[in-house]
Amino acid sequence: DAEITQSPRHKITETGRQVTLACHQTWNHNNMFWYRQDLGHGLRLIHYSYGVHDTNKGEVSDGYSVSRSNTEDLPLTLESAASSQTSVYFCASSDPGGLAGSNEQFFGPGTRLTVL
Amino acid sequence: AQSVTQPDIHITVSEGASLELRCNYSYGATPYLFWYVQSPGQGLQLLLKYFSGDTLVQGIKGFEAEFKRSQSSFNLRKPSVHWSDAAEYFCAVGAPNTNAGKSTFGDGTTLTVKP
Repeated sequence: DAEITQSPRHKITETGRQVTLACHQTWNHNNMFWYRQDLGHGLRLIHYSYGVHDTNKGEVSDGYSVSRSNTEDLPLTLESAASSQTSVYFCASSDPGGLAGSNEQFFGPGTRLTVL
Repeated sequence: AQSVTQPDIHITVSEGASLELRCNYSYGATPYLFWYVQSPGQGLQLLLKYFSGDTLVQGIKGFEAEFKRSQSSFNLRKPSVHWSDAAEYFCAVGAPNTNAGKSTFGDGTTLTVKP
C-alpha cells in the first residue's frame, strides 16, 4: 500500500543546530506540504511543492527551507534551530489530478521536535 | 484569501449521544471543504469532503456533514458517538482551481467522549 513516512518520529536538538526532517511518500503525488502543529494554532503551512524543483513559502516559512529533487521526498531543514520551533511537524501529499483543489491531503505520522 | 473558524475548542459528549461540530468558512465563492480527524499521536485522516453536488455528504465512520451556503457553514455530525471517536477534528477549506491541494485548516475541536 502507498504511504507517507516521516523520520525521525522524535528529535531533541540544541538551539543553533541545523536539523533536517525527512518526508517520503510512495503515492507518486506531485503536491507535498509541510505543516507545524502547535496548541491553539491548528496546522500552519510552512512550505509546499507542486513538483520536482518547485518550492513555495507558506505562512510560517521563516527559519525553514525545503528542496525537491525527486517526486518522493521533501526534506524540511531548520537552518539554525530556535526554541520557538519546538513543535510537531506533519508532512502531507496530494494528487493534483481531477478538479484542481478538490483532492484531500494524505498525512504522515508526524515528527515531534524539541529544541532546547 | 480563504479562512476557517471552528468556534468550539473542546466538546464533551456522552457515548451514544449525537454530535455536531461547527465549522464556518470565509471565501468569495463555493470552496472545497474537508473534515479530517486526528487520533492521539497520529497524522490527520480524511473523514469526508465536499466540492459540488448534494450538500449533504457522507463520510467514513458514520460521519456526515452538510454544506450550507447561506450560513457559510460545513458542520460535521454523527447520530451516535462511540468512545473511539474521541480525537481532534479539523475543518479545512480549499480554493477551487487555484493552488491545487493547498488547504487552510481551522484550529481544531477536541472531542472527549464520556462513558
